[in-house]
Amino acid sequence: GQNIDQPTEMTATEGAIVQINCTYQTSGFNGLFWYQQHAGEAPTFLSYNVLDGLEEKGRFSSFLSRSKGYSYLLLKELQMKDSASYLCAVRNTNAGKSTFGDGTTLTVKP
Amino acid sequence: GAVVSQHPSWVICKSGTSVKIECRSLDFQATTMFWYRQFPKQSLMLMATSNEGSKATYEQGVEKDKFLINHASLTLSTLTVTSAHPEDSSFYICSATGTSGGPGFLAKNIQYFGAGTRLSVL
Repeated sequence: GQNIDQPTEMTATEGAIVQINCTYQTSGFNGLFWYQQHAGEAPTFLSYNVLDGLEEKGRFSSFLSRSKGYSYLLLKELQMKDSASYLCAVRNTNAGKSTFGDGTTLTVKP
Repeated sequence: GAVVSQHPSWVICKSGTSVKIECRSLDFQATTMFWYRQFPKQSLMLMATSNEGSKATYEQGVEKDKFLINHASLTLSTLTVTSAHPEDSSFYICSATGTSGGPGFLAKNIQYFGAGTRLSVL
C-alpha cells in the first residue's frame, strides 16, 4: 500500500512564500504529482516529479527526493486566489494508479 | 488540449433510482480512466480504474455491482450508481490519462480531471 502525509492546514500572507511538504511510503514509485483543488471543484494539475530535484513553473516549484520519500510544493508571491487545497499524489507502477494524500488547505490572508 | 468533460455536474435523485455519469476526453484518446469519490473535506478515494475495452478494476471495498463502469471507447467512460441511497451522496470525479489523438502535446502520466459530479440522493 501507500502512505502519504501532508499537513492538514497552513496559513500564509499575501505576497509571501509557503512550502507544503509531503512524505510518502510506497512500493513501485512512478512519479509524484501536485494538484490544486478549490472547494467544490475538480483538481487541476500543478506539477509532476519523477526524478530527484526541483521543477520550476512560474510561481510554483516542486521538489522531490526519492531516497527520502519526500516532496514539497513551493508557492511564491502568494495571491488570494491561491487559497485552496493542495493534493500530493503518488503514482504507482501498478496499473498507473495514483494515491492521493488528504490534502493541505492553504489559506492566504491579506 | 487535454480536456475532460464530465456530465452532469449536479444531480439530485430519489433513493432507489440509478444515476449515470459520463466522462469524455474531448481532444485526446483516454486509454485509462479513473473514477474517484470525494466526501467533504476529505481526499480523493479511488473507486476503480478502467481501460478501454476491458473490465474495470475496482478498489477494495467498492461494490462492482453497485458502481457499474463502462469504458466502451477511447473517449468515453460511464459510471452508473445503481439503486442509489443517501449514503452514496458524494462528489464523483473522473480523470483520464492517454495519448494525443491529434496535434498538440499531451503530457504522459498526467491525470486530467473532469469537473466532477455532485450527487445528492434524497
